[in-house]
Amino acid sequence: NAGVTQTPKFRVLKTGQSMTLLCAQDMNHEYMYWYRQDPGMGLRLIHYSVGEGTTAKGEVPDGYNVSRLKKQNFLLGLESAAPSQTSVYFCASSRTGGNSPLHFGNGTRLTVT
Amino acid sequence: RKEVEQDPGPFNVPEGATVAFNCTYSNSASQSFFWYRQDCRKEPKLLMSVYSSGNEDGRFTAQLNRASQYISLLIRDSKLSDSATYLCVVMFGTASKLTFGTGTRLQVTL
Repeated sequence: NAGVTQTPKFRVLKTGQSMTLLCAQDMNHEYMYWYRQDPGMGLRLIHYSVGEGTTAKGEVPDGYNVSRLKKQNFLLGLESAAPSQTSVYFCASSRTGGNSPLHFGNGTRLTVT
Repeated sequence: RKEVEQDPGPFNVPEGATVAFNCTYSNSASQSFFWYRQDCRKEPKLLMSVYSSGNEDGRFTAQLNRASQYISLLIRDSKLSDSATYLCVVMFGTASKLTFGTGTRLQVTL
């Protein structure tokens, strides 16, 4: 039982390049989330999904797109990376959207130069 | 005013000490409260939920004070392995309305 798996773990991009971060969970959770974590700031929600085929914007969605074609996968795309997107990205899932705890992946450290 | 505020620390305490952290929140309609633990360069993990009547899990005690809008975490008999950053998390509505504090760093020393 792997839980939540994120790939890749590290990535360096040049400004303007694109990439996709993959999140996979094997717990049959309905809700999935993408957060970013920056020094001195709490985790901030980028986008989230309440079920297969659904996505919604979080607190800081600009510059990112997401897709949830399969229940177990939640993809985060950066179409044209900017230095301001240098951050640690965490994917999380939860059974429901209420008091269910969040299960986080190991994180992706992204640097945009 | 930030929605969720925590003292960043670090709190440096000797092994065996008791240490407490507070976290204040601004939205009086907040419904659910949690403490997560995050080790250096790792993902956050749920430590415990915080219930209105207060709750205990081993050496850890969480309290909620709705009147003053804060939650607290008390750690008794600190262990070296308790060294981590403790994140306060407040939920209003659904899980998309989770707000994370910036965390309080705890360093337990010999």
